[in-house]
Formats: sequence, C-alpha cells, structure tokens
Amino acid sequence: EIVLTQSPGTLSLSPGERATLSCRASQSISSSNLAWYQQKPGQAPRLLIYGASSRATGIPDRFSGSGSGTDFTLTISRLEPEDFAVYYCQQYGTSRTFGQGTKVEIK
Amino acid sequence: EVQLVESGGGLVQPGGSLRLSCAASGFSFSNYVMAWVRQAPGKGLGWVSAISGGSSGTYYVDPVKGRFTISRDNSKNTLYLQMNSLRADDTAVYYCAKGSGSTWPYYFDYWGQGILVTVSS
Repeated sequence: EIVLTQSPGTLSLSPGERATLSCRASQSISSSNLAWYQQKPGQAPRLLIYGASSRATGIPDRFSGSGSGTDFTLTISRLEPEDFAVYYCQQYGTSRTFGQGTKVEIK
Repeated sequence: EVQLVESGGGLVQPGGSLRLSCAASGFSFSNYVMAWVRQAPGKGLGWVSAISGGSSGTYYVDPVKGRFTISRDNSKNTLYLQMNSLRADDTAVYYCAKGSGSTWPYYFDYWGQGILVTVSS
C-alpha cells in the first residue's frame, strides 16, 4: 500500500500570504493519479485538484497543484479568509489512500 | 446539479448491523463508480468501499472485509452499504462519494454531506 505523508501538520499563515503544502508518497504514483481536497469544519470534502495539477470545476486559480513521481505540492498563491481549512491529498493509482491532512490556520 | 444524500446512520450496539443508503441525482448514476469514505471523530479521511458502475467490481479496505457489503441499484439511483458485526472503531461520519469515471482509476468529484454512525453500548 502506498503511504502518503503530508507536511507540515499545521501551517499558520495570515490572509494574503502564500501557502505551500507537501504530499510525499512512499512509492511512485502512476500517471500522476493524485488529487487534493479541502475540508472545512462540519462539511464534506471538496475536490480541488486532480491529475496532480488540473483544477476542478469552479476552483479559483489561486489554487495550483504540481509534482510527479513521489513528491507533490498544493500551492495557494494568496490566502483568502475562506481558505483556512484542512487539506488532504489522495492517490488513486495503485490502491487508494489519503494523506493525514494539513491544517491551514489563521496566524 | 449533482446531489448525494445519505441516510440510515445512527447509534448501534457493538455486534449490531446498519444499512446506509445514498440517493443520487443530477448525473447518469450507472456510468460512475460510487464509494463510501469515512472519517472517525477528529481524524482524517479513510477509504471504506467502492463499486463499479455496473456492479462487476467491488473494493473493500481490509478492516471491513467480510463485515461490510457495498451494492447499488441503478434503477433507483441508490448506493448502499450493509454493515454487520459493527465495532467501536467503525464509529465515524460516512460519506457517499461519486467517482470521476466508470472504473479505476478515479478520484472523487462530488461528496454527500455525510451521516454519523456511532457504535456504542
């Protein structure tokens, strides 16, 4: 089973700052089958990025994904108040696993 | 508009059973993988089970194999999860999720609001 490790566990930033979230896989992920989700308290997850770098429908362009192989990154170029949430990566190539999440909190 | 509405959750004693349902609308249900994902209180997301559009393929995470059964009724646009021999560590919010395609590989492009299952005496 591929293990996904997200870092940092918590990111403390101010609105307007840039957020960089990491997701590292224990083995190479085939065909960049990696997605990112956002989850706010009491809500269901929402798809942000699929295929490592493609934005889902309706997702603002301040969200971007990059990476391949075992190292992937979600970048939020300028944090808006509604972006403070928990972010999960998920690989959907070999088996199916989620990372443990990164919480982006207001500094 | 895609909508996924879960029902059937609640409080059950250890060893008991529950059946979750997910009513889907706004898309061609039979053409997509559907899945259940759970989240224990204060924890992260975890796969539970998935089923292909035509029900020919199913997937279960190891801890639920032999206890949970996923199924779907494409005539009713409804996904099910039969949960037997429930344990305390099955306590979680269970989300119904729509896959991005009819078969593997797929990500989840839409999620239901979630339903709480509590296993406790």
